[in-house]
Amino acid sequence: DQQVKQNSPSLSVQEGRISILNCDYTNSMFDYFLWYKKYPAEGPTFLISISSIKDKNEDGRFTVFLNKSAKHLSLHIVPSQPGDSAVYFCALPGMRFGAGTRLTVKP
Amino acid sequence: DGGITQSPKYLFRKEGQNVTLSCEQNLNHDAMYWYRQDPGQGLRLIYYSQIVNDFQKGDIAEGYSVSREKKESFPLTVTSAQKNPTAFYLCASSMTTGVRSEQFFGPGTRLTVL
Repeated sequence: DQQVKQNSPSLSVQEGRISILNCDYTNSMFDYFLWYKKYPAEGPTFLISISSIKDKNEDGRFTVFLNKSAKHLSLHIVPSQPGDSAVYFCALPGMRFGAGTRLTVKP
Repeated sequence: DGGITQSPKYLFRKEGQNVTLSCEQNLNHDAMYWYRQDPGQGLRLIYYSQIVNDFQKGDIAEGYSVSREKKESFPLTVTSAQKNPTAFYLCASSMTTGVRSEQFFGPGTRLTVL
Protein backbone atom coordinates (compact mmCIF):
# COMPACT_ATOMS: atom_id res chain seq x y z
CA ASP A 1 0.00 0.00 0.00
CA GLN A 2 1.29 3.40 -0.94
CA GLN A 3 1.12 5.61 2.10
CA VAL A 4 2.86 8.47 0.37
CA LYS A 5 2.33 9.50 -3.23
CA GLN A 6 4.11 11.90 -5.50
CA ASN A 7 1.89 11.91 -8.55
CA SER A 8 4.08 13.99 -10.82
CA PRO A 9 7.09 12.00 -11.99
CA SER A 10 8.66 15.06 -13.55
CA LEU A 11 8.52 18.85 -13.58
CA SER A 12 10.30 21.35 -15.79
CA VAL A 13 10.59 25.06 -14.95
CA GLN A 14 12.53 28.04 -16.18
CA GLU A 15 15.39 29.42 -14.12
CA GLY A 16 14.19 32.12 -11.75
CA ARG A 17 10.61 30.88 -11.63
CA ILE A 18 8.91 28.96 -8.85
CA SER A 19 9.04 25.16 -8.63
CA ILE A 20 6.20 23.45 -6.76
CA LEU A 21 6.51 19.78 -5.91
CA ASN A 22 3.57 17.94 -4.37
CA CYS A 23 3.12 15.01 -2.04
CA ASP A 24 0.01 13.32 -0.67
CA TYR A 25 -0.22 10.93 2.26
CA THR A 26 -2.93 8.63 3.48
CA ASN A 27 -2.49 8.30 7.22
CA SER A 28 -3.50 11.31 9.29
CA MET A 29 -1.49 9.95 12.24
CA PHE A 30 1.78 11.08 10.65
CA ASP A 31 3.13 14.14 12.42
CA TYR A 32 6.47 14.78 10.78
CA PHE A 33 7.44 15.01 7.16
CA LEU A 34 10.75 15.30 5.35
CA TRP A 35 11.99 16.18 1.88
CA TYR A 36 15.15 14.73 0.39
CA LYS A 37 17.01 15.72 -2.75
CA LYS A 38 18.89 13.24 -4.93
CA TYR A 39 21.37 13.80 -7.73
CA PRO A 40 22.08 11.00 -10.24
CA ALA A 41 24.35 8.23 -8.98
CA GLU A 42 24.37 9.71 -5.47
CA GLY A 43 22.44 9.02 -2.29
CA PRO A 44 19.62 11.36 -1.24
CA THR A 45 20.40 14.23 1.09
CA PHE A 46 18.04 15.75 3.61
CA LEU A 47 16.57 19.06 2.47
CA ILE A 48 13.85 20.30 4.79
CA SER A 49 11.26 18.99 7.22
CA ILE A 50 8.01 20.08 8.83
CA SER A 51 6.16 19.11 11.97
CA SER A 52 2.39 18.79 11.96
CA ILE A 53 2.12 21.58 14.53
CA LYS A 54 3.14 23.97 11.76
CA ASP A 55 1.69 24.66 8.35
CA LYS A 56 4.83 26.20 6.90
CA ASN A 57 8.59 25.87 7.29
CA GLU A 58 11.04 28.02 5.39
CA ASP A 59 14.77 27.59 4.79
CA GLY A 60 16.24 30.04 2.32
CA ARG A 61 14.80 29.41 -1.11
CA PHE A 62 12.96 26.30 0.09
CA THR A 63 9.56 26.36 1.79
CA VAL A 64 7.43 23.38 2.71
CA PHE A 65 3.70 23.80 3.23
CA LEU A 66 1.51 21.33 5.07
CA ASN A 67 -2.24 21.06 4.64
CA LYS A 68 -3.30 18.53 7.27
CA SER A 69 -6.98 18.48 6.32
CA ALA A 70 -6.07 17.59 2.75
CA LYS A 71 -3.16 15.34 3.79
CA HIS A 72 -1.00 17.23 1.36
CA LEU A 73 2.52 18.61 1.37
CA SER A 74 4.17 20.88 -1.11
CA LEU A 75 7.74 22.02 -1.55
CA HIS A 76 8.28 25.44 -3.10
CA ILE A 77 11.62 26.51 -4.53
CA VAL A 78 11.94 30.21 -5.28
CA PRO A 79 13.79 31.25 -7.32
CA SER A 80 14.64 27.98 -9.05
CA GLN A 81 18.23 27.50 -10.17
CA PRO A 82 19.76 25.00 -12.61
CA GLY A 83 21.61 23.39 -9.68
CA ASP A 84 18.24 22.48 -8.20
CA SER A 85 17.75 19.95 -10.98
CA ALA A 86 17.44 16.66 -9.12
CA VAL A 87 14.91 14.11 -7.92
CA TYR A 88 12.97 15.19 -4.85
CA PHE A 89 11.52 12.64 -2.46
CA CYS A 90 8.83 13.22 0.11
CA ALA A 91 9.34 11.00 3.18
CA LEU A 92 7.19 10.00 6.12
CA PRO A 93 8.04 8.49 9.49
CA GLY A 94 8.63 4.76 9.31
CA MET A 95 11.16 5.09 6.53
CA ARG A 96 8.56 5.52 3.80
CA PHE A 97 9.47 7.44 0.69
CA GLY A 98 7.45 8.63 -2.26
CA ALA A 99 8.38 7.70 -5.81
CA GLY A 100 10.07 11.05 -6.33
CA THR A 101 9.64 13.95 -8.74
CA ARG A 102 12.42 14.76 -11.18
CA LEU A 103 12.83 18.54 -11.36
CA THR A 104 14.59 20.10 -14.33
CA VAL A 105 15.40 23.80 -14.14
CA LYS A 106 16.23 25.22 -17.55
CA PRO A 107 18.67 28.14 -17.86
CA ASP B 1 35.42 13.48 7.13
CA GLY B 2 32.34 11.85 8.57
CA GLY B 3 30.07 9.97 6.24
CA ILE B 4 28.80 6.74 4.81
CA THR B 5 30.68 4.68 2.29
CA GLN B 6 29.31 1.96 0.08
CA SER B 7 31.43 -0.27 -2.06
CA PRO B 8 31.68 -1.07 -4.83
CA LYS B 9 29.83 1.54 -6.87
CA TYR B 10 29.01 -0.97 -9.60
CA LEU B 11 28.72 -4.72 -9.14
CA PHE B 12 28.03 -7.47 -11.62
CA ARG B 13 27.12 -11.02 -10.68
CA LYS B 14 25.88 -14.11 -12.39
CA GLU B 15 22.40 -15.36 -11.65
CA GLY B 16 22.34 -17.79 -8.74
CA GLN B 17 25.31 -16.27 -6.90
CA ASN B 18 25.06 -14.60 -3.54
CA VAL B 19 26.63 -11.16 -3.31
CA THR B 20 27.41 -8.92 -0.33
CA LEU B 21 27.20 -5.13 -0.48
CA SER B 22 29.31 -3.17 1.96
CA CYS B 23 28.14 -0.21 4.05
CA GLU B 24 30.31 1.60 6.59
CA GLN B 25 29.62 4.77 8.58
CA ASN B 26 31.82 6.83 10.88
CA LEU B 27 29.06 9.16 12.09
CA ASN B 28 28.60 7.22 15.34
CA HIS B 29 24.97 6.63 14.39
CA ASP B 30 23.00 3.91 16.12
CA ALA B 31 20.56 3.23 13.30
CA MET B 32 21.34 1.93 9.83
CA TYR B 33 19.13 1.07 6.86
CA TRP B 34 19.14 -0.59 3.47
CA TYR B 35 16.89 0.57 0.65
CA ARG B 36 16.36 -0.52 -2.89
CA GLN B 37 15.48 1.85 -5.71
CA ASP B 38 14.03 0.69 -9.02
CA PRO B 39 13.31 2.94 -12.02
CA GLY B 40 10.21 5.07 -11.46
CA GLN B 41 9.85 3.94 -7.87
CA GLY B 42 10.69 5.42 -4.54
CA LEU B 43 13.02 3.95 -1.99
CA ARG B 44 11.78 0.69 -0.54
CA LEU B 45 13.06 -0.45 2.83
CA ILE B 46 14.79 -3.83 2.90
CA TYR B 47 16.17 -4.05 6.45
CA TYR B 48 17.02 -1.69 9.26
CA SER B 49 18.95 -1.91 12.47
CA GLN B 50 18.46 0.22 15.57
CA ILE B 51 21.45 -1.05 17.52
CA VAL B 52 24.31 -3.50 17.23
CA ASN B 53 23.30 -7.16 17.00
CA ASP B 54 19.71 -6.26 16.24
CA PHE B 55 17.87 -5.77 12.95
CA GLN B 56 14.33 -5.87 11.59
CA LYS B 57 12.80 -6.69 8.25
CA GLY B 58 11.50 -3.89 6.11
CA ASP B 59 8.87 -4.06 3.40
CA ILE B 60 10.84 -6.20 0.94
CA ALA B 61 13.20 -8.38 3.01
CA GLU B 62 12.63 -11.62 1.13
CA GLY B 63 15.82 -12.83 -0.56
CA TYR B 64 18.07 -10.55 1.50
CA SER B 65 20.02 -10.95 4.72
CA VAL B 66 21.98 -8.54 6.93
CA SER B 67 24.22 -8.53 9.95
CA ARG B 68 25.13 -5.82 12.46
CA GLU B 69 28.14 -7.06 14.39
CA LYS B 70 29.71 -3.62 14.64
CA LYS B 71 28.12 -0.20 15.03
CA GLU B 72 29.95 1.07 11.97
CA SER B 73 29.05 -1.71 9.56
CA PHE B 74 25.79 -3.06 8.10
CA PRO B 75 26.49 -5.37 5.15
CA LEU B 76 23.66 -6.59 2.94
CA THR B 77 23.73 -9.99 1.26
CA VAL B 78 21.61 -10.45 -1.84
CA THR B 79 20.92 -14.15 -2.02
CA SER B 80 20.00 -16.33 -4.96
CA ALA B 81 16.46 -16.41 -3.55
CA GLN B 82 15.93 -12.76 -4.51
CA LYS B 83 13.94 -13.02 -7.73
CA ASN B 84 14.82 -9.67 -9.23
CA PRO B 85 18.07 -8.45 -7.66
CA THR B 86 19.16 -5.96 -10.33
CA ALA B 87 18.64 -2.54 -8.74
CA PHE B 88 20.29 0.47 -7.13
CA TYR B 89 20.96 -0.19 -3.43
CA LEU B 90 21.25 2.61 -0.90
CA CYS B 91 22.53 2.40 2.65
CA ALA B 92 21.67 5.08 5.20
CA SER B 93 22.22 5.86 8.85
CA SER B 94 20.65 8.11 11.46
CA MET B 95 21.25 8.95 15.08
CA THR B 96 18.18 6.95 16.05
CA THR B 97 15.15 5.49 14.30
CA GLY B 98 13.06 8.26 15.81
CA VAL B 99 10.67 9.86 13.39
CA ARG B 100 12.47 13.20 13.51
CA SER B 101 15.89 11.74 12.84
CA GLU B 102 17.08 12.61 9.35
CA GLN B 103 18.89 9.93 7.45
CA PHE B 104 22.29 10.25 5.84
CA PHE B 105 22.77 8.22 2.70
CA GLY B 106 25.74 6.60 1.06
CA PRO B 107 26.42 6.99 -2.68
CA GLY B 108 24.76 3.68 -3.54
CA THR B 109 25.74 0.46 -5.28
CA ARG B 110 24.28 -0.48 -8.63
CA LEU B 111 23.95 -4.25 -8.78
CA THR B 112 23.43 -5.95 -12.11
CA VAL B 113 22.74 -9.66 -12.21
CA LEU B 114 23.48 -11.20 -15.58
